Amino acid sequence: DVVMTQSPLSLPVTLGQPASISCRSSQSLVDSDGNTFLSWFHQRPGQSPRRLIYKVSARDSGVPDRFSGSGSGTDFTLKISRVEAEDVGVYYCMQGTHWPPWTFGQGTKVEIK
Amino acid sequence: QVQLVESGGGVVQPGRSLRLHCAASGFTFSTYGMYWVRQAPGKGLEWVAFLEYDGSKEYYADSLKGRFTVSRDNSKNTLYLQMNSLRDEDTAVYYCANNNDAIAYWGQGTLVTVSS
Repeated sequence: DVVMTQSPLSLPVTLGQPASISCRSSQSLVDSDGNTFLSWFHQRPGQSPRRLIYKVSARDSGVPDRFSGSGSGTDFTLKISRVEAEDVGVYYCMQGTHWPPWTFGQGTKVEIK
Repeated sequence: QVQLVESGGGVVQPGRSLRLHCAASGFTFSTYGMYWVRQAPGKGLEWVAFLEYDGSKEYYADSLKGRFTVSRDNSKNTLYLQMNSLRDEDTAVYYCANNNDAIAYWGQGTLVTVSS
C-alpha cells in the first residue's frame, strides 16, 4: 500500500499570510499513462471533506484561486497564498493512482494564530 | 448540483448488522463509480469500499475482512453498504463519495456507533 505522509501536522497561520503543506508518498504516483492522481481535501469542523485540488494542480469548481497544488513523483505541496478565516480546518492529501486501497495522509490542522 | 445523502446510521450492538444508504442526485449516477469512506471520532479519513459504475467490480479495505458488502441500484440512484459483525472499531461517520478523477464529491455522512 502507498503511505502518504503530511507535514506539518499542525500549522498556526496569520490571516493574510501564505501557508504551505507538504505531502510525500512512499512511491511515485505517476501511472502508466503519465497521470498523477494526487488530491487535496479540506474539512472544516463538523463538516464533510471538500475536494480542492485533483491531479496535483487542477482546482475543483468554486475553489478560490488562492489555493494551488504542485509537485511530482512523490513530493507534493498545497499552498494558500493569503490565508482567510474560512480556511481553518484539516487538510488531507490522498492518492488515487495505486488502488486499492485509496490512501490518505494523516491530516494537517490549520488554525489562526 | 451533485447531492449525496447518507442515511441508516445509528447505535448498534457489537456483532449486529446495519445497512447504510446513499441517495444520489444532480449527476448521472449510473455512469460513476462510488466510494464509502469513514472517519472515526477525532481521527483521519479511511477508505472503506469502491464499486464500479455498473456494479461489476467491488473493492474493500483489507481491515474489513469480508464483513462489509457494497452494492448499488442504478434504477434508484442509490448506493448501499451492508455492514455485518460490527465491532467497536467500526464506530465512525460513514461518507459516500463519487468518482471523478478519484474521490471527488462527498455527502454529509451518517454516524454509526457500535456499543453495548
